[in-house]
Amino acid sequence: DAMVIQNPRYQVTQFGKPVTLSCSQTLNHNVMYWYQQKSSQAPKLLFHYYDKDFNNEADTPDNFQSRRPNTSFCFLDIRSPGLGDAAMYLCATSRDGSGQPQHFGDGTRLSIL
Amino acid sequence: KQEVTQIPAALSVPEGENLVLNCSFTDSAIYNLQWFRQDPGKGLTSLLLIQSSQREQTSGRLNASLDKSSGRSTLYIAASQPGDSATYLCAVNEGNDYKLSFGAGTTVTVRA
Repeated sequence: DAMVIQNPRYQVTQFGKPVTLSCSQTLNHNVMYWYQQKSSQAPKLLFHYYDKDFNNEADTPDNFQSRRPNTSFCFLDIRSPGLGDAAMYLCATSRDGSGQPQHFGDGTRLSIL
Repeated sequence: KQEVTQIPAALSVPEGENLVLNCSFTDSAIYNLQWFRQDPGKGLTSLLLIQSSQREQTSGRLNASLDKSSGRSTLYIAASQPGDSATYLCAVNEGNDYKLSFGAGTTVTVRA
């Protein structure tokens, strides 16, 4: 019944080694989001896709990129992870435009060695 | 810029007590407000969504109210249970883009 699925649940990478997190959805929603959440902090939006249109938040670091090859899948690529990138990464979807409820996956906990 | 605040950051209550969680926001021109639950190490589970035209929403033991003019929402959880222990976050959608502005959450512990 899982509707927004994130893999893996836990990811460990080395400082500077590229890493990719994945998200898939069975809801057929148009919009997909990536959030970063650090311990005891509010989730922070990194970017979102409306269909294939990519929208980057102004303060998203340059070493974060995203791909959405089709409606169901979205990837978060971190080109050169630093220690400050250790966080929970949350993927969410919404049906379409603003005002629709967002549905979240279980997140990927990223650790940097 | 919208600022969302949740006070207190943590709350501990005995089982059976009613919970009252507060959320305040600085810009009252919101489209809707959503309450989420987050268990440790997990993602967010949507609990209730209140449209700006609504005053409250109810689901089981949960009731959320919205006062747009004063920039406040309250989540009430009746007859709390240990299983209600989690972090509760509120988020506002201003409608002009897709962004949710989140509060940092209130971590609730219900003691058996």
